[in-house]
Amino acid sequence: KAGVTQTPRYLIKTRGQQVTLSCSPISGHRSVSWYQQTPGQGLQFLFEYFSETQRNKGNFPGRFSGRQFSNSRSEMNVSTLELGDSALYLCASRPTGTSGGAADTQYFGPGTRLTVL
Amino acid sequence: DAKTTQPPSMDCAEGRAANLPCNHSTISGNEYVYWYRQIHSQGPQYIIHGLKNNETNEMASLIITEDRKSSTLILPHATLRDTAVYYCIVRPYSGAGSYQLTFGKGTKLSVIP
Repeated sequence: KAGVTQTPRYLIKTRGQQVTLSCSPISGHRSVSWYQQTPGQGLQFLFEYFSETQRNKGNFPGRFSGRQFSNSRSEMNVSTLELGDSALYLCASRPTGTSGGAADTQYFGPGTRLTVL
Repeated sequence: DAKTTQPPSMDCAEGRAANLPCNHSTISGNEYVYWYRQIHSQGPQYIIHGLKNNETNEMASLIITEDRKSSTLILPHATLRDTAVYYCIVRPYSGAGSYQLTFGKGTKLSVIP
């Protein structure tokens, strides 16, 4: 199976702009989560989507939003970009059709490196 | 989720076994132990998980103590490509509920030629 894919891989934006990142989960995976990674804060959870519904959200401002489509693909959007939004944005999917530990195993994509100037 | 404690860094000679410890003394009976690693600037990679029993796959072995308060990830023959930050995460099975992984600082493993 193909892994989690994210596009674009690299992005440069300026303050005040908005950005949309895309994620395609592993085939058959219906849960998609997004994480932000910065040198100072490490890996932080942004939100999880399952069946087009946001089920969980981390402690991020409303400028960060996302959505999931019927084919499980997901996008996240950051509006009014700030310098501090420069980070590696990671998408992960998991196989919710199974149970136990295997169902909670997330598989990560390569990430999108966002630089805000 | 239970808190985990890992050493900030470790060195291992190439070809030797790398043993990465993780303390999770407050783990509950329904919580799994997961290990991920992250090679520089790449997405985290799932390695292995376990509940009570020791587990082995093509990448590594996971040894969980009988009281489940600590575990060790073993890379049997470390190579330079195993240089990465290794994260130990403890969390309960989410069932049909919401889900997130909470990453700590992990252990920076350096494999030395």
